Amino acid sequence: LAKTTQPISMDSYEGQEVNITCSHNNIATNDYITWYQQFPSQGPRFIIQGYKTKVTNEVASLFIPADRKSSTLSLPRVSLSDTAVYYCLVGDDNDMRFGAGTRLTVKP
Amino acid sequence: DAGVTQSPTHLIKTRGQHVTLRCSPISGHKSVSWYQQVLGQGPQFIFQYYEKEERGRGNFPDRFSARQFPNYSSELNVNALLLGDSALYLCASSSGLAGGAPQETQYFGPGTRLLVL
Repeated sequence: LAKTTQPISMDSYEGQEVNITCSHNNIATNDYITWYQQFPSQGPRFIIQGYKTKVTNEVASLFIPADRKSSTLSLPRVSLSDTAVYYCLVGDDNDMRFGAGTRLTVKP
Repeated sequence: DAGVTQSPTHLIKTRGQHVTLRCSPISGHKSVSWYQQVLGQGPQFIFQYYEKEERGRGNFPDRFSARQFPNYSSELNVNALLLGDSALYLCASSSGLAGGAPQETQYFGPGTRLLVL
């Protein structure tokens, strides 16, 4: 099972780009990498998903190197409302594991 | 379109009791997963159901059970409650177009907060 490792916390300021890296050394061939955002007392919300190289949507980009042993979520120009916990999830057939997540705090 | 709904929103039980939590997936979604989230930790996978069959089970004791109904709604049952079962229980649904595979985007409900005294 692919275990994920992320920084426990990060601080940033409004308008900056934030990059959160997740390590998943034992990722399996069929695993996708998915990132979720969670606000207090709410369920996680899907941000972005990828398998390899780079994926971009309207809110974030996901960079995955060729060996797929890590991935980086990039949030452009963060705002105060981006303060949340961000989870990297690597899917396995019968066990979808969330790590401890990264608590991002955006300051004015 | 309504998102994933869960009931009740909050629940207080005492040790030894049992509890039933309910989840209605997004209309058209055939896969439902349950997670337990203890305060300060990430969600821990409990079960996944797809087309009314159990597709995956996390590392939880047999006190935890679940089922999925013909309308794809689901129940999570926990027997003989322990203090450590106090947590936010999250339900997530996915389309099932990929057979409930992990790469399907999961849509989470707001959760049921269970407190065991």
